Amino acid sequence: SQQGEEDPQALSIQEGENATMNCSYKTSINNLQWYRQNSGRGLVHLILIRSNEREKHSGRLRVTLDTSKKSSSLLITASRAADTASYFCATSSGGSYIPTFGRGTSLIVHP
Amino acid sequence: DTAVSQTPKYLVTQMGNDKSIKCEQNLGHDTMYWYKQDSKKFLKIMFSYNNKELIINETVPNRFSPKSPDKAHLNLHINSLELGDSAVYFCASSQDFRGAGYGYTFGSGTRLTVV
Repeated sequence: SQQGEEDPQALSIQEGENATMNCSYKTSINNLQWYRQNSGRGLVHLILIRSNEREKHSGRLRVTLDTSKKSSSLLITASRAADTASYFCATSSGGSYIPTFGRGTSLIVHP
Repeated sequence: DTAVSQTPKYLVTQMGNDKSIKCEQNLGHDTMYWYKQDSKKFLKIMFSYNNKELIINETVPNRFSPKSPDKAHLNLHINSLELGDSAVYFCASSQDFRGAGYGYTFGSGTRLTVV
């Protein structure tokens, strides 16, 4: 099974700035999900985007999917200190619905 | 109300011991999972149960044995613990085995330290 790879590994920004994280994968997918993990906590589901979708929004989050480039991006607009967390993409492909996770992007938002 | 709850939150034990981690979900989901997260935050699927039936069993040492007494519970028993088993273990659930369509709900994790 493949896994998504997030880029960058770490991102440090000031409150109010936008944060962009990318995820690349190798084979065709059914869908791609983004999760957030605060330190010492479980993962929280943010957005799922299907392979036939190109963009989805949820509050300050915007996810895009480019299947021709096998990549996705997560944009957090007007970041807040509370957005400090690790962000993971997870892909499911073929007949398996089990998502495989990347190693995450560690985001630090300075107040 | 906690949707997916795991106990214990922390577990420190000696090599060679046997330990169990319990997981319960009150969401009415059909499918439950165990994931292992290593020190580099890599999250890897271990097992998946759908309605008490094992549907995914990744390459995991047979010292790890999941048990699902009913669809709301999925426990993980580990025999003869080794240093390399130290990690954070996450339980998760989804509405059905196609759970990727709706996302997963994760527990807060059990940090296992083997000394």
